[in-house]
Amino acid sequence: GQNIDQPTEMTATEGAIVQINCTYQTSGFNGLFWYQQHAGEAPTFLSYNVLDGLEEKGRFSSFLSRSKGYSYLLLKELQMKDSASYLCAVMDSNYQLIWGAGTKLIIKP
Amino acid sequence: SQTIHQWPATLVQPVGSPLSLECTVEGTSNPNLYWYRQAAGRGLQLLFYSVGIGQISSEVPQNLSASRPQDRQFILSSKKLLLSDSGFYLCAWSVGVEVETQYFGPGTRLLVL
Repeated sequence: GQNIDQPTEMTATEGAIVQINCTYQTSGFNGLFWYQQHAGEAPTFLSYNVLDGLEEKGRFSSFLSRSKGYSYLLLKELQMKDSASYLCAVMDSNYQLIWGAGTKLIIKP
Repeated sequence: SQTIHQWPATLVQPVGSPLSLECTVEGTSNPNLYWYRQAAGRGLQLLFYSVGIGQISSEVPQNLSASRPQDRQFILSSKKLLLSDSGFYLCAWSVGVEVETQYFGPGTRLLVL
């Protein structure tokens, strides 16, 4: 079967750095997406990785290792507004997105 | 720029009643359209997707149906709601073929009592 694993919840301090991991087992691979979802709102697109390595976008970076079936989202200089759920999703060989359950990130002052 | 609308934002319905949720996209032509359901603490579940008018693919057998009467309109329906239909319903769009980013509407929170 297809499976995406992420930690259920993480806590970090304002101004710090946090890394949210995602491991996957899917039928084929056509890229990995990260979305941010604030409570009660729709997911918003953060990043897309299809090749191994690190993609940096401001305070957010996303890393992919296809051989390990592993990705992480790195958030730097955490702000209170970063409190949200972070969803990992993999596009399989049929170009369908397989979604993880999301990681709820709690930022403390 | 593209925008996506969903309504209603919140809905409380009794078991056995019908359902109609609407999604419209502006600012793009021939988008791919998707209906997802998100249960509390769980990942997004793809319900239906459409690559064009009248073309609907169903991912999960259930008492829900979808229709696409116009290029940028996607409707999710049910004749008789079940308690298990409660959840957060999200419509999304994308353009292109194969790998493309999906963008989500604001969602409809449905509570079936």
